[in-house]
Amino acid sequence: DAGITQSPRHKVTETGTPVTLRCHQTENHRYMYWYRQDPGHGLRLIHYSYGVKDTDKGEVSDGYSVSRSKTEDFLLTLESATSSQTSVYFCAISESRGIGNTEAFFGQGTRLTVV
Amino acid sequence: RKEVEQDPGPFNVPEGATVAFNCTYSNSASQSFFWYRQDCRKEPKLLMSVYSSGNEDGRFTAQLNRASQYISLLIRDSKLSDSATYLCVVNIGIQGAQKLVFGQGTRLTINP
Repeated sequence: DAGITQSPRHKVTETGTPVTLRCHQTENHRYMYWYRQDPGHGLRLIHYSYGVKDTDKGEVSDGYSVSRSKTEDFLLTLESATSSQTSVYFCAISESRGIGNTEAFFGQGTRLTVV
Repeated sequence: RKEVEQDPGPFNVPEGATVAFNCTYSNSASQSFFWYRQDCRKEPKLLMSVYSSGNEDGRFTAQLNRASQYISLLIRDSKLSDSATYLCVVNIGIQGAQKLVFGQGTRLTINP
C-alpha cells in the first residue's frame, strides 16, 4: 500500500469552528489532492497541489484553504466550518510518469461531521 | 456542465452477465483517462488506465472515443465480487500537469 496517511480519521466539530485535516505521504510524489465525497456527487476536487507552495483550486474550493510547506504534507483548512461541509474527505497523491501511466493513491478518508 | 459525467445507476445485473458503463468528458484537450473502483466505505483504487487503442485486462475492457469524448468500461462474465462503484477519471491538467477529476460514479450490484 502507498504511504499516505490522513488525520484525523473521524471528527465532529461545531459550526463556526476552524478545522484542519492533514494528509501525509512518504512516497515523495509531486501531486497531492483533496476531494470530498457526498452521496449523488461522487468525488469532487477541492484543491490540489503540484509542488511545495504550489496549489490551485478545484470545483468546490469555496470555504476551504490549503497549504503545502513540505513535499510530504498537504493541509486542508475549513476556516469556519458549516453544516454543508459535513462529508467524507479523501486525500490523494500521484506522480507523472507519462501520459496514461499515472496512478493516484488515496488515503483512507476522514469523516467530518459539523453540528 | 460537469467536467466528467457518468450514469449513476444503480445497475443490478445477474452473475455472469456483461455490463457496460459510459462516461463523457467536456475538455477536449484531456490526455489521460482511467477507471477506478470503490468498495463501500473504502477509498478508490485504480482499476485500469484507458488508452486510445483500447485495452483489456482479463474480463475488463476499456475504450476511448476522442471524437465523441467518451470512455467506456465493459465487464464480461461478471462476478459477485465485481459489485462496487466504478468511477471514471479524467486528467484535465495542461502541459503534463495532473489535475484529476472524477465522475460521480456508477454503482454496480451483481446478483447471484
